[in-house]
Amino acid sequence: ETGVTQTPRHLVMGMTNKKSLKCEQHLGHNAMYWYKQSAKKPLELMFVYNFKEQTENNSVPSRFSPECPNSSHLFLHLHTLQPEDSALYLCASSQDLFGKETQYFGPGTRLLVL
Amino acid sequence: AQKVTQAQTEISVVEKEDVTLDCVYETRDTTYYLFWYKQPPSGELVFLIRRNSFDEQNEISGRYSWNFQKSTSSFNFTITASQVVDSAVYFCALSEQTGGFKTIFGAGTRLFVKA
Repeated sequence: ETGVTQTPRHLVMGMTNKKSLKCEQHLGHNAMYWYKQSAKKPLELMFVYNFKEQTENNSVPSRFSPECPNSSHLFLHLHTLQPEDSALYLCASSQDLFGKETQYFGPGTRLLVL
Repeated sequence: AQKVTQAQTEISVVEKEDVTLDCVYETRDTTYYLFWYKQPPSGELVFLIRRNSFDEQNEISGRYSWNFQKSTSSFNFTITASQVVDSAVYFCALSEQTGGFKTIFGAGTRLFVKA
């Protein structure tokens, strides 16, 4: 596989469920990102990891918990979400952190919280 | 203050028409980068172009062209002879030195190209 992959592509969960989103990049990049894309809103940066270390937590509620076991994998653990958390969650990676680096995006996980 | 403004929420054109997507940005930095991404219905954002603040040369890539004008803080994107496959949401983004080059995205412009 090449590029950035995300699983699952679609997820429906209740507010009391626990689920995890997975992202994997096959590009040899050092930085990975989680974004949230809600309807009619700009992309919101959630978390940033550089060489497996979290460098940015953009005031994200604790019901979202990221995990980066290595530079190729990024998880987003979900727990007791709210209906307003329904959105498209996009993972991205770049060679190095931000700057001039182009970010490569996965196809996203479309999440619906009931 | 909004850093990246894409004033056009939706644009609808007929195939073969030319269309320009506007992007206006705000920054006090002299070093920054501008990007355009395309998001087709499948969801993933696809990188189209990156431009640094020191290079105002316009660029053409096939049917795509970009007009970077620092004097008006604009980085507009033109699709010539549009095709149905161009239908997507297009995002302009800014990465500025202040704040560690965090990438800020505009709200996007949804382009519909009708056959």
